Formats: sequence, C-alpha cells, structure tokens
Amino acid sequence: GAGVSQTPSNKVTEKGKYVELRCDPISGHTALYWYRQSLGQGPEFLIYFQGTGAADDSGLPNDRFFAVRPEGSVSTLKIQRTERGDSAVYLCASSLEAGELFFGEGSRLTVL
Amino acid sequence: AQSVTQLGSHVSVSEGALVLLRCNYSSSVPPYLFWYVQYPNQGLQLLLKYTSAATLVKGINGFEAEFKKSETSFHLTKPSAHMSDAAEYFCAVSDTGRRALTFGSGTRLQVQP
Repeated sequence: GAGVSQTPSNKVTEKGKYVELRCDPISGHTALYWYRQSLGQGPEFLIYFQGTGAADDSGLPNDRFFAVRPEGSVSTLKIQRTERGDSAVYLCASSLEAGELFFGEGSRLTVL
Repeated sequence: AQSVTQLGSHVSVSEGALVLLRCNYSSSVPPYLFWYVQYPNQGLQLLLKYTSAATLVKGINGFEAEFKKSETSFHLTKPSAHMSDAAEYFCAVSDTGRRALTFGSGTRLQVQP
C-alpha cells in the first residue's frame, strides 16, 4: 500500500485478555517502530526492528509486551494480561532513512 | 539519555500572525532533531529535520526551524499562520547512533480567524 497500515483501528477488550495489533509498513522499508501515545502526551518509544530482528526493545514496559516481525515486513505487537493502564493509541512507523519515520494512523486500545 | 522539552502545551495565534513553537533538547552528543505534525484524525507527518548540514532548516507548508547549539533549542516558526495549520506539533530528537526518536509532549496550535 501507499502508507503504513494498522489494524484494528479500534480495539476494546476486558482486563486480563490478550490483544494483538498488526502493522503493515511501507513496502521496502527495512526499519519498523512501535510507539504508544497516551492522551495529552507525545509518542513513547516501545521497540524498533531492523529487518526481522529487534534492534532496540528498551521501551517495552514489561514482559507482558512482545513484538515480532518474522519475515521483515508485517509486525505484530502482542499484549498479554491487559491492564487498564495499557489503554492508549499504539502507533507504528516505518522508515528507510534515520529519523524520517512514516506513521500509521494508530490502533486505539481501550481496556475496560 | 536524550530528551526534548516543548514549552507551552497550547498556543493560540490569529490568522496571519507569526507562529513560534518552542523546543529545547538535552543530548550528550550532537543530535538529530525533528518536527512532526499531527492533524486531527491523521497520522504523524514529518515537517522538517536537522542533521547538521545547515542550522536553518526549511520544511513543508512554509515552516522552518533554527538549530541553536548555544541555547540547545530548535524552535519552529512560520511567518504567517493559516487556519489549516491548526494541529498538534511534536519535537523529537535522536542521537546519531540510535534510530529511535524521543518525542516531546506536544504543542497544540490553534489559529483564530
């Protein structure tokens, strides 16, 4: 596609459930990033992939959060045992050059 | 670790007035600096970036920013605001050895007719 695509655009789940969020980056972009944005805040870095490997996962808040990118294209962010504090907009971005990130519109997660 | 501080969570200007959005950075090494814009119901878009080639950087839609090392600042300006500039603006920084960006908390720009 022309841009970064994220699905679902909205996800409502109950506390304790498992959630997967998908990101389809711009074709040919080797770098992929996940960020989380809470209301009134800037995006907070979670994890960065270069190809298939996680080059920097220092932003993952705890071991309930995990992300994969098995074929170096589509990525899935996985959240286990969701908590109300996980409610946020999860942003995915991809890039060719350092710093020129192209963002998707985000997946809004609401944990009840 | 690098960080950015955006002064003013909300800025309101009249149409045609100067826009000035402030950003100060903290980095132990010469940084890369960026401004992103987020229009309502849209994803973040890159406005401009500084990568040490020139201290005055011109971006899209008439915006520009000046890197001032002595002030550790990278303020965003536009001579004349337009109604379509109403959006949230984020300053971001990365160290040269790190791809991930660190974002500020954002400034919401309102443009009054």
